[in-house]
Amino acid sequence: QKEVEQNSGPLSVPEGAIASLNCTYSDRVSQSFFWYRQYSGKSPELIMSIYSNGDKEDGRFTAQLNKASQYVSLLIRDSQPSDSATYLCAVNPGNQFYFGTGTSLTVIP
Amino acid sequence: DVKVTQSSRYLVKRTGEKVFLECVQDMDHENMFWYRQDPGLGLRLIYFSYDVKMKEKGDIPEGYSVSREKKERFSLILESASTNQTSMYLCASSPLADTQYFGPGTRLTVL
Repeated sequence: QKEVEQNSGPLSVPEGAIASLNCTYSDRVSQSFFWYRQYSGKSPELIMSIYSNGDKEDGRFTAQLNKASQYVSLLIRDSQPSDSATYLCAVNPGNQFYFGTGTSLTVIP
Repeated sequence: DVKVTQSSRYLVKRTGEKVFLECVQDMDHENMFWYRQDPGLGLRLIYFSYDVKMKEKGDIPEGYSVSREKKERFSLILESASTNQTSMYLCASSPLADTQYFGPGTRLTVL
């Protein structure tokens, strides 16, 4: 069983729409959760971190965490073509990061 | 800003060569990591280190070794490169149990 699961996509949304990216994890002791964005040929860059149940907003991005359901999501409002990338979910149960394989997002102008 | 640098962006080596990949971070982070990333397989952890001269095996350590003689520097060594080690190699650093920051990556091709 994989530690972190994401839909690989591709996910396509029109410009201006809301993109919803989902992630589930298996380790119940995980306390730290992260979303990274990775453009083709580049390294991952941090978008959001979330540690408590509920929502956390940063500009057009909202991370949502539900520890009881072992579920974390990322919403991108007013999606832009520059948001087209692969989004990686990561969890940290204490001493090691576990990454999902990523969801490919394409925002269509 | 956190800065993680890697010695090369692109590298081409021959089968059997010894390969050194260097990673340096400037934020005094305790933890450093080496991953490889392959299409469809995501990020796979090779080795990590919590402190100078400390190292821990990740999920795929076979064929690799590491060295951490100074806190800011973490080296990945391919003792005898093979074609199945052609990949993107990513170094990351983090403060204790917190966000990982990635270097730009090294795309290694082994011929």
